[in-house]
Amino acid sequence: AQSVAQPEDQVNVAEGNPLTVKCTYSVSGNPYLFWYVQYPNRGLQFLLKYITGDNLVKGSYGFEAEFNKSQTSFHLKKPSALVSDSALYFCAVRDRQTGANNLFFGTGTRLTVIP
Amino acid sequence: NAGVTQTPKFQVLKTGQSMTLQCAQDMNHEYMSWYRQDPGMGLRLIHYSVGAGITDQGEVPNGYNVSRSTTEDFPLRLLSAAPSQTSVYFCASSYSIGSNQPQHFGDGTRLSIL
Repeated sequence: AQSVAQPEDQVNVAEGNPLTVKCTYSVSGNPYLFWYVQYPNRGLQFLLKYITGDNLVKGSYGFEAEFNKSQTSFHLKKPSALVSDSALYFCAVRDRQTGANNLFFGTGTRLTVIP
Repeated sequence: NAGVTQTPKFQVLKTGQSMTLQCAQDMNHEYMSWYRQDPGMGLRLIHYSVGAGITDQGEVPNGYNVSRSTTEDFPLRLLSAAPSQTSVYFCASSYSIGSNQPQHFGDGTRLSIL
């Protein structure tokens, strides 16, 4: 069975500080991993993905994520947070063996960057 | 480039009424899907389509129907609305059925069932 866990409903960080939004996953095979961001009254926007290769993935708006196979984690990071980064962040996983329909989302983490 | 367009943006229905949520994409994407977003539950897949004429059920299909007569359009029908279907509905599309493709989302339809 596939699943995604985002253990923190809310993350608060001061502007200019580094931020981390945590994600752990469970799949039977090898994963495709994604991060999406959702701003108020908008749909989800793709930030970055891990397919294979380098464990550190760089994405939009200065975000990056580190794939850790042994810890089954894919934490989202940014070296210096901006107030405009405040939004709802979703981690999602697909098992490579099961096909296109099975994209599983976490429950989301609300990031608030404090000026 | 409009991307994925959903209409209406807001809708209030009475229990038992039916309605269709519209979704259109102008990116020539093969894969389209419908999700519902509920507080504390993330997004759950309702139905999806891998091409015109082909649809399949997702995680929570009961109470919903879909069809895909063209590549561009993927409407979601509520047959007899129930309060449990109060949610925010998102349509998404991607270029192919390749499972490493990110999805493009519409801005959602906020549906309340009284």
